[in-house]
Amino acid sequence: GENVEQHPSTLSVQEGDSAVIKCTYSDSASNYFPWYKQELGKRPQLIIDIRSNVGEKKDQRIAVTLNKTAKHFSLHITETQPEDSAVYFCAVEMWQGAQKLVFGQGTRLTINP
Amino acid sequence: SAVISQKPSRDICQRGTSLTIQCQVDSQVTMMFWYRQQPGQSLTLIATANQGSEATYESGFVIDKFPISRPNLTFSTLTVSNMSPEDSSIYLCSVAAGDTQYFGPGTRLTVL
Repeated sequence: GENVEQHPSTLSVQEGDSAVIKCTYSDSASNYFPWYKQELGKRPQLIIDIRSNVGEKKDQRIAVTLNKTAKHFSLHITETQPEDSAVYFCAVEMWQGAQKLVFGQGTRLTINP
Repeated sequence: SAVISQKPSRDICQRGTSLTIQCQVDSQVTMMFWYRQQPGQSLTLIATANQGSEATYESGFVIDKFPISRPNLTFSTLTVSNMSPEDSSIYLCSVAAGDTQYFGPGTRLTVL
């Protein structure tokens, strides 16, 4: 089955700096890669996703890059703000069309004022 | 995106008992899923709730422990049976809109 590794497990950055979280996956047939943000006590919220026919996608301060050859994708947050503090999860669709997700282990991001 | 609600939002239960969690969506959806999130951990898929047929369980999860119903395209239930403290987790339902999944608010279960 699909195996998803996420690094780092914790990340602390100064407000205004950038944060990068990386995930690797095992199944080369996977085509859909979402990122979720989970604040304490809240549900996971989709923040950005990317499909395998695209190498990069941006939404304001958030971007995701995908390297299908190397089987890894990364979340980039620029100009970090205190409200970016949360746990971030990457996910990979198990196989095309299955709509079932395998999640990474999560990264606890802390933004220091 | 769909509006998803779950009941109860939290519960404290005694070992050996069962709890049924409800998931309601405000629109018809084909795919509904149940996940478990153990304290401080990631999300693990329990099963896909199929409308009109038995749920499809992932490795490590069985129907006797986690029976699921899906009577229509807007509703599903997950029962956690014969509970033990190891079942203390957050249980989340999700729905798929195309590839994208949206999550319910979760049910925080504590088993004593």
